[in-house]
Amino acid sequence: EDQVTQSPEALRLQEGESSSLNCSYTVSGLRGLFWYRQDPGKGPEFLFTLYSAGEEKEKERLKATLTKKESFLHITAPKPEDSATYLCAVGGTGGFKTIFGAGTRLFVKA
Amino acid sequence: DVKVTQSSRYLVKRTGEKVFLECVQDMDHENMFWYRQDPGLGLRLIYFSYDVKMKEKGDIPEGYSVSREKKERFSLILESASTNQTSMYLCASRPGDNYNEQFFGPGTRLTVL
Repeated sequence: EDQVTQSPEALRLQEGESSSLNCSYTVSGLRGLFWYRQDPGKGPEFLFTLYSAGEEKEKERLKATLTKKESFLHITAPKPEDSATYLCAVGGTGGFKTIFGAGTRLFVKA
Repeated sequence: DVKVTQSSRYLVKRTGEKVFLECVQDMDHENMFWYRQDPGLGLRLIYFSYDVKMKEKGDIPEGYSVSREKKERFSLILESASTNQTSMYLCASRPGDNYNEQFFGPGTRLTVL
């Protein structure tokens, strides 16, 4: 069964304190691994798609990487405005669904 | 930019009422989705539509139905609302299959009293 597990559930950082969020997945034939950002009371906003192991993508202070079993979202020198829930999701060859993880809630304190 | 809109941001209904949640996308996407999101449970798929008048059940379809009469519009219907359907409802659209990302609407916070 396709599955996505994110850790930690919550992460508290000081402004400028770099860290990483983990997304472990099992999927029958990876088609895409997706990262989203969700602010409280709003819909998820797309960040990145990764398609194959070894791929990396960057956007401002965020960098996503992918291996055959997990993905990391690295946050470099975060700012308070990076505070949000970050969702990881996978699409596989087993069907039409995208499988979402429960998310990591990130708090960045000034 | 892709835009997905939902008819209401906040909705309060009474137990037993019929509730309609509307979703419209402006990018001619084939696929549309309805999710509910609850604390600790993440996003759960209610229904999926891959074409006009076509639908597939998701993980939690009980108590819900859907309608897709036009490609850009996907409606979620609660036939008889119950308190356990109080939740955040999110609509999404996607071009093609699951190589591609989904685009989400702003969400509807539904409270059933």
